[in-house]
Amino acid sequence: AQKVTQAQTEISVVEKEDVTLDCVYETRDTTYYLFWYKQPPSGELVFLIRRNSFDEQNEISGRYSWNFQKSTSSFNFTITASQVVDSAVYFCALKGMKTSYDKVIFGPGTSLSVIP
Amino acid sequence: DAGVIQSPRHEVTEMGQEVTLRCKPISGHNSLFWYRQTMMRGLELLIYFNNNVPIDDSGMPEDRFSAKMPNASFSTLKIQPSEPRDSAVYFCASSLAGQGNYEQYFGPGTRLTVT
Repeated sequence: AQKVTQAQTEISVVEKEDVTLDCVYETRDTTYYLFWYKQPPSGELVFLIRRNSFDEQNEISGRYSWNFQKSTSSFNFTITASQVVDSAVYFCALKGMKTSYDKVIFGPGTSLSVIP
Repeated sequence: DAGVIQSPRHEVTEMGQEVTLRCKPISGHNSLFWYRQTMMRGLELLIYFNNNVPIDDSGMPEDRFSAKMPNASFSTLKIQPSEPRDSAVYFCASSLAGQGNYEQYFGPGTRLTVT
């Protein structure tokens, strides 16, 4: 069975602090995709990043960075110098690569509050 | 480029009434998903279509829920009769499945309140 765990239910940081959102996944598939989505207070889920399981390179996009470690089944997300606009619920998700029809499994989400 | 379009954005109805939610996926996408989000249960996949064909409807709560995709640019999710426990935000998402592009793009959601 596939599962995504985001142990941090809520995180609160002061603006300009760095924050890391944890994501741990379980799968028996040898190849899979991992995703992060952002859901701001407006409600719409926004796609942030997709990683393939065979590509363990970390990725940086502006203040965002992602650390994929297959050995620990983790795909953590770090926001550097957080801003109030980063306040949102962040979802980690997993999809197998066996078929195109494999469902995307979402984690429960981490609610991030950035305090000015 | 237009994203996923959902209507209505808000729906308030009385128990027992029929509710129809509508979705227009991103042009060119071949997969469409209906999700329901509540505080208690989080984000739940209800059903998804590939090339207009329902692939997995195991998430549909019960027979009161039905979904159709008559063509590549339109889908509906119907609840008949509606119940208060159906109150939630319903999201439609689309993706271009295949060739490694499986990220889903979500619509703004329909907030349904059943009184």
